[in-house]
Amino acid sequence: DAGITQSPRHKVTETGTPVTLRCHQTENHRYMYWYRQDPGHGLRLIHYSYGVKDTDKGEVSDGYSVSRSKTEDFLLTLESATSSQTSVYFCAISADLNTEAFFGQGTRLTVV
Amino acid sequence: AQTVTQSQPEMSVQEAETVTLSCTYDTSENNYYLFWYKQPPSRQMILVIRQEAYKQQNATENRFSVNFQKAAKSFSLKISDSQLGDTAMYFCAFISGANSKLTFGKGITLSVRP
Repeated sequence: DAGITQSPRHKVTETGTPVTLRCHQTENHRYMYWYRQDPGHGLRLIHYSYGVKDTDKGEVSDGYSVSRSKTEDFLLTLESATSSQTSVYFCAISADLNTEAFFGQGTRLTVV
Repeated sequence: AQTVTQSQPEMSVQEAETVTLSCTYDTSENNYYLFWYKQPPSRQMILVIRQEAYKQQNATENRFSVNFQKAAKSFSLKISDSQLGDTAMYFCAFISGANSKLTFGKGITLSVRP
């Protein structure tokens, strides 16, 4: 199995609080992605990274920020959590554009 | 902007039969890659098959094959001899050679009936 770990796996937080999700990889893969999965919407890309300190926005980036200061870590921050951000969040990594993307186990985030 | 469309939300197939899942995409790029991923109830994402746009030959992986129509921007997945373990959500995905944005469709829930 690819070495990719998401933390925490579950979190409940209150509206208005900041939340940071961590994606850690041991594969030295260049590309990293954050998605949210909601019923009826599939996987929607939030932000992605194509190298250390190189990140870009996905289709649903509002309210989220990311950082990648090291190859192995990609952090997703909800600056001020809202109920609409209740979701399952997946991190993915890939070595190259044409290679398989490996996914973490997901983080279930509930904003109350 | 690149988009991936899976218009069928659900499908059902009898065990041992063949089923085809549809996917269309939109891009102005000429160099790109297409994927089908499977997500069983465990939520784990599993690569089923991939296709390079520059290859005319359709990819096959055992019981799984694709019908890649580049001009029509269509990328359908055919599952032959369906098995109960094929029950899952299936996602079509696209990535362009011009950027590294991996885009998924909304997915289709496939149920295999015994």
